[in-house]
Amino acid sequence: EVQLVETGGVLIQPGASLRLSCAASGFSVTNNYMSWVRQAPGEGLQWLSTIYSDRSTYYADSVKGRFTISRDNSKNTLFLQMKSLRAEDTAIYYCARGCADKKCYIEYWGQGTLVTVSS
Amino acid sequence: DIVMTQSPLSLPVTPGEPASVSCRSSQTLLHSDGYNYLDWYLQKPGQSPQLLIYLGSNRASGVPDRFSGSGSGTDFTLKISRVEVEDVGVYYCMQALQMPLSFGGGTKVEI
Repeated sequence: EVQLVETGGVLIQPGASLRLSCAASGFSVTNNYMSWVRQAPGEGLQWLSTIYSDRSTYYADSVKGRFTISRDNSKNTLFLQMKSLRAEDTAIYYCARGCADKKCYIEYWGQGTLVTVSS
Repeated sequence: DIVMTQSPLSLPVTPGEPASVSCRSSQTLLHSDGYNYLDWYLQKPGQSPQLLIYLGSNRASGVPDRFSGSGSGTDFTLKISRVEVEDVGVYYCMQALQMPLSFGGGTKVEI
């Protein structure tokens, strides 16, 4: 069974850094598209970043240069390193896995972790 | 970047009746391989989103056949043949043709 469990969400001050983790089970993060998507309170979905099997990475303009996606194959875990956090980064952050046959970028979703940026 | 626009913003529905949601992209999502790179998601209240349709018209595993996706190029439709109470939530389209991936603003379906 595919499972994605995000952790690391917290109340944090503007300007600080934070790393989110997504522990995967039931499959290998190495062999799938892995992504981060966020949802601000009461708002819609916003794609943030995707990492390919070959470690190619892609980012939304709004987070490029501030956020870094990575994975630890040995721990089967996906990460999102965030720096220079702003109030507008307040959101639920979802980890997601693509279709096994690579026909979609996002099939499975985690339950999300809440990041609140506030002084 | 590709901009996705959904309509309507809110859709009142009646159980047993059909319903449809529209999605338009600012650029064609039809790839040279013949696929339309358009996916549909449903986020039920209090839950994470779930994939309904990928590549324009392919139902994801476990998705009831009352859901169907159609369209090509820049105009797409998600149809529910007979709405059930459990279908309430916010429906999102997402283009997967090119990076950055982008979602529509969502359509809230409510009874």
